[in-house]
Amino acid sequence: DAGVTQSPTHLIKTRGQQVTLRCSPISGHKSVSWYQQVLGQGPQFIFQYYEKEERGRGNFPDRFSARQFPNYSSELNVNALLLGDSALYLCASSLEGSTDTQYFGPGTRLTVL
Amino acid sequence: AQKVTQAQTEISVVEKEDVTLDCVYETRDTTYYLFWYKQPPSGELVFLIRRNSFDEQNEISGRYSWNFQKSTSSFNFTITASQVVDSAVYFCALSGIQGGSEKLVFGKGTKLTVNP
Repeated sequence: DAGVTQSPTHLIKTRGQQVTLRCSPISGHKSVSWYQQVLGQGPQFIFQYYEKEERGRGNFPDRFSARQFPNYSSELNVNALLLGDSALYLCASSLEGSTDTQYFGPGTRLTVL
Repeated sequence: AQKVTQAQTEISVVEKEDVTLDCVYETRDTTYYLFWYKQPPSGELVFLIRRNSFDEQNEISGRYSWNFQKSTSSFNFTITASQVVDSAVYFCALSGIQGGSEKLVFGKGTKLTVNP
């Protein structure tokens, strides 16, 4: 079975631009979570979606938004990019909630210049 | 607040040595789950183990073993007879429900380098 997939793999943007990252969960998984990992740190929780509803949000500004589609895939949007948004963005899927095992995708590396 | 502390930032060993990665956690939840993930240089987080707060039995999987001690809020990970392929960053994580939000809280990771 295919694992979690994310696109694109790498992305370079300039300050002030907007970016959309995409994630497809493991087949049968209904929950998708997004994490930001800056260099040298552990991943930080951004959002969790379950059955197209936002279930949780981390301590991130409103420039960050997400949504989940009927096929359970998800998009993460970041507006007005800042240099500090440069990071590896990880998507994880689980059967239902975060207490289920979360399986991670390969990530999207975003560089903001 | 939930918190995970991995005090060892970097560890370097020679192949075939045993190595233990420490993890200490804080939570007010009575039901919670603990995880270990491996992150090789490619960047993808690879799931290793999940343990719930009611199961304090130690677990062994091949060269990997985990020691969960609720009394000291620790969930340590030991690799026996380490190999070069074990070189990676290892993360300990805690999940639970806080303020209506379900999420994984990660430690800062321990970078393990296994030298031939």
